[in-house]
Amino acid sequence: EIVLTQSPATLSLSPGERATLSCRASQSVSSYLAWYQQKPGQAPRLLIYDASNRATGIPARFSGSGSGTDFTLTISSLEPEDFAVYYCQQRSNWPPGYTFGQGTKLEIK
Amino acid sequence: EVQLVESGGGLVQPGGSLRLSCAASGFTFSSYEMNWVRQAPGKGLEWVSYISSSGSTIYYADSVKGRFTISRDNAKNSLYLQMNSLRAEDTAVYYCARDGGGTASSDYWGQGTLVTVSS
Repeated sequence: EIVLTQSPATLSLSPGERATLSCRASQSVSSYLAWYQQKPGQAPRLLIYDASNRATGIPARFSGSGSGTDFTLTISSLEPEDFAVYYCQQRSNWPPGYTFGQGTKLEIK
Repeated sequence: EVQLVESGGGLVQPGGSLRLSCAASGFTFSSYEMNWVRQAPGKGLEWVSYISSSGSTIYYADSVKGRFTISRDNAKNSLYLQMNSLRAEDTAVYYCARDGGGTASSDYWGQGTLVTVSS
C-alpha cells in the first residue's frame, strides 16, 4: 500500500508570501497525484490533477510539480482566502483505491 | 452546473445500518466513475469506496470491506452507500465525489452528510 507523507504539518506564513507544500509517496505514483484545498465546514476542492495541471477555475498562483515520489504544491503569493488545509491524493492500481496524505494546515502568521 | 447532494446521514447505534444517497445533476452521470470519501471529526480525508461508470467494478477500503456496499442507479442519477455493522470509528462526514474522467482525481464533491455512530 502506498503511503503519502505531507510536510510540514503546519505552515505559518503571511499574505503575499510564497508557500511550498510537500508530498512524498512511499513508492512511485508516476504523475498520478492530485492536490485539494479544504476550508472549515466545506468539502474539498480540487486544485491540481496529474501532478501539474490546474483544475478548472483555479487561479494561476497555484502550481504543482514533481513525479515519481516527490511532489510540491506552490502558492506563489498568498491571498487571505488561501489559508486552509491542503491534501495530496494518489490513485493506485494495486491495491486498487485512493490514498490521501494527512494534510498540511496553512495558517496566517 | 454539476451538483452532488448527499442525504441519509444521522445518528445510529453501534451495530446498526444506514443507507446514504447521492443525487447527481448537471452532467451525464452514467459516464463517470464515483467515490465515497469520509472525514472523521477533526481528522483527514479517508477514501471509502469506488464504483465504475457501469457499476461493474467496485473497490473498498480495508476498513469497510465486508460491511459497506456501494451501488448506483444510472437511470436515477444516484449513488448509494449501504453501511451495515456500524462502529463508532465510522463516525464521519461522508462525501460523494465524481472521478475526473481519467485524471485519477475527484473534480466535484458534494457537501457531505454526517453519520454519527453512538449509543
